[in-house]
This record gives sequence, structure tokens and C-alpha cells, in this order.
Amino acid sequence: DIQMTQSPSSLSASVGDRVTITCQASQEITNSLNWYLQKPGKAPNLLIYDASNLETGVPSRFRASGSGTDFTFTISSLQPEDIATYYCQQYDNLPYTFGQGTKLEIK
Amino acid sequence: QVQLVQSGAEVKKPGASVKVSCKASGYTFTSYDINWVRQATGQGLEWMGWMNPNSGNTGYAQKFQGRVTMTRNTSISTAYMDLSSLRSEDTAVYFCARARGESFDYWGQGTLVTVSS
Repeated sequence: DIQMTQSPSSLSASVGDRVTITCQASQEITNSLNWYLQKPGKAPNLLIYDASNLETGVPSRFRASGSGTDFTFTISSLQPEDIATYYCQQYDNLPYTFGQGTKLEIK
Repeated sequence: QVQLVQSGAEVKKPGASVKVSCKASGYTFTSYDINWVRQATGQGLEWMGWMNPNSGNTGYAQKFQGRVTMTRNTSISTAYMDLSSLRSEDTAVYFCARARGESFDYWGQGTLVTVSS
């Protein structure tokens, strides 16, 4: 199985800050990567697909890039409603696998 | 609007089976695969498998092979996930999710399955 390693596991930032999360795959996955946000008690929400494409309706402050094994997710200006846990997910090989999550909190 | 509505919470004894349903609306049920993902309390997301509602074809994660069965009833646009030989480690919230390509664009609200003696 492909292991997805997210960093950091948790992050505290202020409103307006630029926030960056990284995701590393244990083997090459080209651009077969999605990013999701999950708020407590809710289902995950798709934010980014195919490594860098913004899902319809998702604010443009969310961006992502990368290919191969190294990927980056960025929030350009953190808003209070962005407080959530963020997950990367690879779909290059079955079984699909998720990173362990990055819990984002407001400082 | 697209919706996936799952069945309610379940409490099961070890060794029993559970069947979770996922009723789709707002789109053509047979046009998109349904995937199942679970999440133990305070833990991350774990993919269990996929089902093509048109053909009934399925694919399961090795971890669940032999214990999970994914089926559907196209007449009522509903997918099902059956997990057998339950153990305490299966206590989790189970989500169904529609796959657009290989991205999960709509999710059910989740079904809590508690396995306890």
C-alpha cells in the first residue's frame, strides 16, 4: 500500500496567516492526489482534485501543487471558518490511502 | 441537489454483521461509483472499497476481503455495505461517497457503528 505522510500533524495560526501543509507519498503517484477538509462531526469535503484543481465552489484562497511524491496545500489567508482537519488522499494505486490528517487551529 | 443519506446508528455484538445503507438522490445513481470510507473515533480516514452501481462490480481493500460486501438496489438508488464478523476495532463512523472519476465529491452524513458486548 502507498503510505501518505502529512506534515505537520497539527498547526496553530492566526487569522490572515498563510498556512502550508505538505503531503509525501511513499512512491511515485504522478498527480493522483486529492485534498479534503473535515470539520468535527461532519463528512469530509473535497477541496482540490488531481493535485492542483480547485473544486467548484471552493474559495480561491485554497491552492495546491505538486507531482510525483511531494505535494503542498496552501491557504493564502486563513479565515476562522477554515478551522478543520485536512487530509490528502492518493488514488494512483488501490487501495486508496489517506494521510493521517493535519488539524488546523486558530491561535 | 445531490444527496447521499445513510441509515441510522447501529450497536452490534462482536461476531455479528451490520448492513449500512446509502440512498442517493439528485443524480443518476448508476452513473457514478460509490465508495465506502470509515473513521474510528479521533482517527483518520480508511478506504474500504468501491462499487459500480451500474454493473454491480466491486473492489475491496485487502484488509476487508472476505468480511465486506457492497451491493445495490438500482430501483431505489440505494447502495449497501455489509460488514461481518464484527470486532471492537470495527467501531467507527462509516461514510459512503460518490466518486467523480477518482475524487469523492459528495459524501453521506456518516453512520456510527458501535461493536460492544
